[in-house]
Amino acid sequence: RKEVEQDPGPFNVPEGATVAFNCTYSNSASQSFFWYRQDCRKEPKLLMSVYSSGNEDGRFTAQLNRASQYISLLIRDSKLSDSATYLCVVNSNNAGNMLTFGGGTRLMVKP
Amino acid sequence: EPEVTQTPSHQVTQMGQEVILRCVPISNHLYFYWYRQILGQKVEFLVSFYNNEISEKSEIFDDQFSVERPDGSNFTLKIRSTKLEDSAMYFCASTGTGYTGELFFGEGSRLTVL
Repeated sequence: RKEVEQDPGPFNVPEGATVAFNCTYSNSASQSFFWYRQDCRKEPKLLMSVYSSGNEDGRFTAQLNRASQYISLLIRDSKLSDSATYLCVVNSNNAGNMLTFGGGTRLMVKP
Repeated sequence: EPEVTQTPSHQVTQMGQEVILRCVPISNHLYFYWYRQILGQKVEFLVSFYNNEISEKSEIFDDQFSVERPDGSNFTLKIRSTKLEDSAMYFCASTGTGYTGELFFGEGSRLTVL
């Protein structure tokens, strides 16, 4: 079983749409979770951390379900600039930042 | 805005040759990392480095790989004898603390092994 699993997509949505991505992780001992964004042929950049109580940053909402080992990202009012690959990331080694990345979900926002 | 810089941006080498990829982490950061991404695949952890020694390394980081912080600013990844399967984008990253999960990545060095 993959450590961090994501639907690769692509998700093709019109501007203004709401889109949700899901991710599952296999290591039940994982303590910290993140969404990174990666533009084509660029480096990953932190989008947001994911907290147990759920958290929101502008149009972005992240949720964590520890019982189901499931993480989600909701993007409201999609913009063309949101087009990217969204990487679900888990810090499975709590001794440091040995991050485990999912394969990413590609989002394409169309005019 | 401070950033992680990497050189070269692209290197082409022959199988069996040694390659050194260079990184300048953000100046006040203490934790340094190398990750790699084979084209079309996920980002994979290679090694973490703190206080002038390796903290963690993955199975990928075998005896062909080494890291060094030769001075106060550079952080290098050496691949001793490159293989075709070493072709990938290599990302250097740094962070100020060990547990945040917020890594600042450089733009990457693309290695092509022929």
